[in-house]
Amino acid sequence: DQQVKQNSPSLSVQEGRISILNCDYTNSMFDYFLWYKKYPAEGPTFLISISSIKDKNEDGRFTVFLNKSAKHLSLHIVPSQPGDSAVYFCAARTIYGQNFVFGPGTRLSVLP
Amino acid sequence: DVKVTQSSRYLVKRTGEKVFLECVQDMDHENMFWYRQDPGLGLRLIYFSYDVKMKEKGDIPEGYSVSREKKERFSLILESASTNQTSMYLCASSGGGGSYEQYFGPGTRLTVT
Repeated sequence: DQQVKQNSPSLSVQEGRISILNCDYTNSMFDYFLWYKKYPAEGPTFLISISSIKDKNEDGRFTVFLNKSAKHLSLHIVPSQPGDSAVYFCAARTIYGQNFVFGPGTRLSVLP
Repeated sequence: DVKVTQSSRYLVKRTGEKVFLECVQDMDHENMFWYRQDPGLGLRLIYFSYDVKMKEKGDIPEGYSVSREKKERFSLILESASTNQTSMYLCASSGGGGSYEQYFGPGTRLTVT
């Protein structure tokens, strides 16, 4: 039973438009969330994080929104660029946990 | 620059062989992790270690063991490789004191035939 879900295995977006990647979780004890990006044949790299005391965090073109009541977070990329084409993983951690639970990932393709 | 290295990018082994995957980090991080990545399943935690000689089971430890004799090195051992252990293996490390970000190595694609 997956505690972190990314229900869209893939997403295609036109260059310059907004990409929205979604993540849902079931464990109400999760208090910290990360997004990672992974290119083929490379390890995941950290993108952006958000704590449960916030509902939004921005870093350049990347914004993460957290809706705790819905147990839902989303990553917005504006504007999308071809170099953003990668697999994006959502990850969550409980208050006293040492580890993160990862979602299955969403493959984003940004078309020129 | 942060660096996590893994001993092999690609590995092919036969069923029943003992397999060693090595991971080294140069960031003086306390925590180290081994994951496997499979399509549709994301990253699943096999084992982790928060200190030298310490180890904890993750979500899928069966068929694996680990060793951490030095702070910078974390080894994953497949005692008797099986075909269902064919996967991408990723090592990661993170610091303590509220630093949650994990830094990943490039991964080892293991094929067991």
